[in-house]
Amino acid sequence: DTAVSQTPKYLVTQMGNDKSIKCEQNLGHDTMYWYKQDSKKFLKIMFSYNNKELIINETVPNRFSPKSPDKAHLNLHINSLELGDSAVYFCASSQERASTDTQYFGPGTRLTVL
Amino acid sequence: DAKTTQPTSMDCAEGRAANLPCNHSTISGNEYVYWYRQIHSQGPQYIIHGLKNNETNEMASLIITEDRKSSTLILPHATLRDTAVYYCIVRTGTASKLTFGTGTRLQVTL
Repeated sequence: DTAVSQTPKYLVTQMGNDKSIKCEQNLGHDTMYWYKQDSKKFLKIMFSYNNKELIINETVPNRFSPKSPDKAHLNLHINSLELGDSAVYFCASSQERASTDTQYFGPGTRLTVL
Repeated sequence: DAKTTQPTSMDCAEGRAANLPCNHSTISGNEYVYWYRQIHSQGPQYIIHGLKNNETNEMASLIITEDRKSSTLILPHATLRDTAVYYCIVRTGTASKLTFGTGTRLQVTL
């Protein structure tokens, strides 16, 4: 069983389009995250939700909007896609255990904007 | 969160122990040391974490110096499947971000 799953795995689209990436976790965790890995392989946090509430919002263009319909899902919607949005996007989840937690990552979604 | 320093790359022969060092001289008392790895094109994978005591699990051992300014991740018997980028991260609390550096690229060879 896949703990953290993302769809689609690959996404190729034109500039200016709007697209969504879905993430689901079946671990019963209460916190979910989106990370972006650019072409230089740097991994950076974008957003974090805890119990459907936004708790981390790094410096990300407002074209990116996370949506958490429930604790098990955190979707990423991107408006007006730009070439620079091409990257691999990773979803992760965690659950607090004894003052710390461990994040588990999904397989990633490779977004290519043409 | 404290910054970490890791060697850019390391090689290890298959079957030998791989010892990956990490410096975190500005770590504060409530920060944990985490290790993750990323095998090519896959999502980061949790390996181990610790606060001040040495830790061991089925994947690896983590040795943290007494002053907590550095640590070493040990893969006791490296295999080709352990070839990956290994990230040492220090962070506090829960539901907080992981700040990934450039990591160490470990190449396990025959």
